[in-house]
Amino acid sequence: DIQMTQSPSSLSASVGDRVTITCRASHGITNYLAWYQQKPGKVPNLLIYGASTLQSGVPSRFSGSGSGTDFTLIISSLQPEDAATYYCQKYNSAPATFGQGTRVEIK
Amino acid sequence: QVQVVESGGGVVQPGRSLRLSCAGSGFILRNYGVHWVRQAPGRGLEWVALISHDGVNEYYSDSLRGRFTISRDNSQNTVSLQMNNLGPEDTAVYYCAKGPREFWSGVLIDCWGQGTLVTVSS
Repeated sequence: DIQMTQSPSSLSASVGDRVTITCRASHGITNYLAWYQQKPGKVPNLLIYGASTLQSGVPSRFSGSGSGTDFTLIISSLQPEDAATYYCQKYNSAPATFGQGTRVEIK
Repeated sequence: QVQVVESGGGVVQPGRSLRLSCAGSGFILRNYGVHWVRQAPGRGLEWVALISHDGVNEYYSDSLRGRFTISRDNSQNTVSLQMNNLGPEDTAVYYCAKGPREFWSGVLIDCWGQGTLVTVSS
């Protein structure tokens, strides 16, 4: 099965900072990559699918890129409400494996 | 409003079984692929299983295949997860989640339930 590896596992950044999270697949998944945001005590929320397509209602400061095995989630200007754990997930086929998550903390 | 609702969680002794159920409101659950995803306390998301909209195809996490069974009753518009021989490592919030499009064979998740807590303890 394809493994998904995120980095870093956690980060701390200031409001207004540009934040980059990476996700690597052990084998190519073309662009079948989704990003989810999970705030503490809350349910995961789909941010991006197709590696770069923003889900309806998601702020434009979030963007995604990549194809094949290497993917990136960027928050262009970090906001206090972005404190959360972010997960990538492959969905080219089952199993729909998640990355281990990246916890984003606001300084 | 589209909602997915899980039920059936609780405390269960090691070695016992438990059956979780999932229902939908605001949409027709039987038209969608449905996933189960779990999250152990303080841990990340772990994909568990997926059943296609018509129930023909079932997919499992390799580590759980054989102990967990996903099924659906489209006449009742419900999806179930039968969990057998439970151990403390199965303690988690179990989320039911749906795919984004009707009659779609893809594996993307776009809507999650609030989750139901399963605690395996003697």
